[in-house]
Amino acid sequence: EAGVAQSPRYKIIEKRQSVAFWCNPISGHATLYWYQQILGQGPKLLIQFQNNGVVDDSQLPKDRFSAERLKGVDSTLKIQPAKLEDSAVYLCASSLNPRGGASWTYNEQFFGPGTRLTVL
Amino acid sequence: KNQVEQSPQSLIILEGKNCTLQCNYTVSPFSNLRWYKQDTGRGPVSLTIMTFSENTKSNGRYTATLDADTKQSSLHITASQLSDSASYICVVSERYSSASKIIFGSGTRLSIRP
Repeated sequence: EAGVAQSPRYKIIEKRQSVAFWCNPISGHATLYWYQQILGQGPKLLIQFQNNGVVDDSQLPKDRFSAERLKGVDSTLKIQPAKLEDSAVYLCASSLNPRGGASWTYNEQFFGPGTRLTVL
Repeated sequence: KNQVEQSPQSLIILEGKNCTLQCNYTVSPFSNLRWYKQDTGRGPVSLTIMTFSENTKSNGRYTATLDADTKQSSLHITASQLSDSASYICVVSERYSSASKIIFGSGTRLSIRP
């Protein structure tokens, strides 16, 4: 079974520039998550999709961050314009179904390798 | 406020030694607790998962314990290997509701020295 794919793996940009990350979840996984992980910290949820609908985007800085999952499969996360404090690893994860499933095991998240963003 | 706190923040041990990592949480209502291993430059990978009714769960040299009464969990690593060098993250999920949350700890950075 193929894992969660992310690209690019690394990105270096200057502040005020724009950047986009792409994620392809595991086939059949209804739920997709984007996390921001700053060095030395645990992942912080930015946005959670259930199919192509947004479940939770309460911690997404909406003035500069946006995300979409138009067809309920792959997803893009965009930052425009980037700030120095956006330097982090952006992780994408997917799970079968965190709610409504018959078993709590459905909420196990499988993570991609992440995209390391450096803003200069 | 739902929180997950891990200790120690970092740990260095010699190869072959055992170690125990701690996780305390205040998440309620509780659904399950997972331990993830995150190698440098990679995404987290699940090691164990436990619900409130489970006290212990093993995965090879990794053994997780859960005390739902005191809201504490530990991850014990036996006979450590160099490949165990990684961050270990405790993740607690709320019981399913209309707005379930998954809360991540900050992780423990473990370094194994030869």
